[in-house]
Amino acid sequence: LAKTTQPISMDSYEGQEVNITCSHNNIATNDYITWYQQFPSQGPRFIIQGYKTKVTNEVASLFIPADRKSSTLSLPRVSLSDTAVYYCLVGRYSGGGADGLTFGKGTHLIIQP
Amino acid sequence: EPEVTQTPSHQVTQMGQEVILRCVPISNHLYFYWYRQILGQKVEFLVSFYNNEISEKSEIFDDQFSVERPDGSNFTLKIRSTKLEDSAMYFCASSEAGTVLHQPQHFGDGTRLSIL
Repeated sequence: LAKTTQPISMDSYEGQEVNITCSHNNIATNDYITWYQQFPSQGPRFIIQGYKTKVTNEVASLFIPADRKSSTLSLPRVSLSDTAVYYCLVGRYSGGGADGLTFGKGTHLIIQP
Repeated sequence: EPEVTQTPSHQVTQMGQEVILRCVPISNHLYFYWYRQILGQKVEFLVSFYNNEISEKSEIFDDQFSVERPDGSNFTLKIRSTKLEDSAMYFCASSEAGTVLHQPQHFGDGTRLSIL
């Protein structure tokens, strides 16, 4: 599994755009990049997934450069409720295989008023 | 939006006792998982389950653990003889049958297991 490195914590303010970058230098050709969010006392929640370039959904955008050695999760106009731990996961997904996810320590994002 | 539901939300058990944690995965999902998170630590994979058998398991998932899908809706994790170090949040997750793209895992809100 590709090792990921992301900041332990980040602070921002309501209404700002927040970008969390994850490094994954030894990502493999078959690996996808997936981000999860976890609130205290809740299970992780899938945010977004991508393979290359840019992916956008109603919650976030994911930017992946051509070399795929890093990725950036972008949260537009954050609110206090976006305070959570954000996990970057990189791994092989064999088209339906029941692969266990490997979570790191994540980035603890704190949003202030 | 369909959810993974887990019961109970909090389980307190004496050391050495057996405990069963219950999960109802999303109805059209075919892949099921258990994870645990010790307080202040990372989410750790325990086991995955597909087609009524274990697909993958981690080193944590030793002989004291077992999983079962007793009927068409429930997925259970049994810990046979609990130890103090089994105290953790236990999360159940499920995912759809695979396609070309990875199907994300959907997590429940967990059962907090406290071993006394």
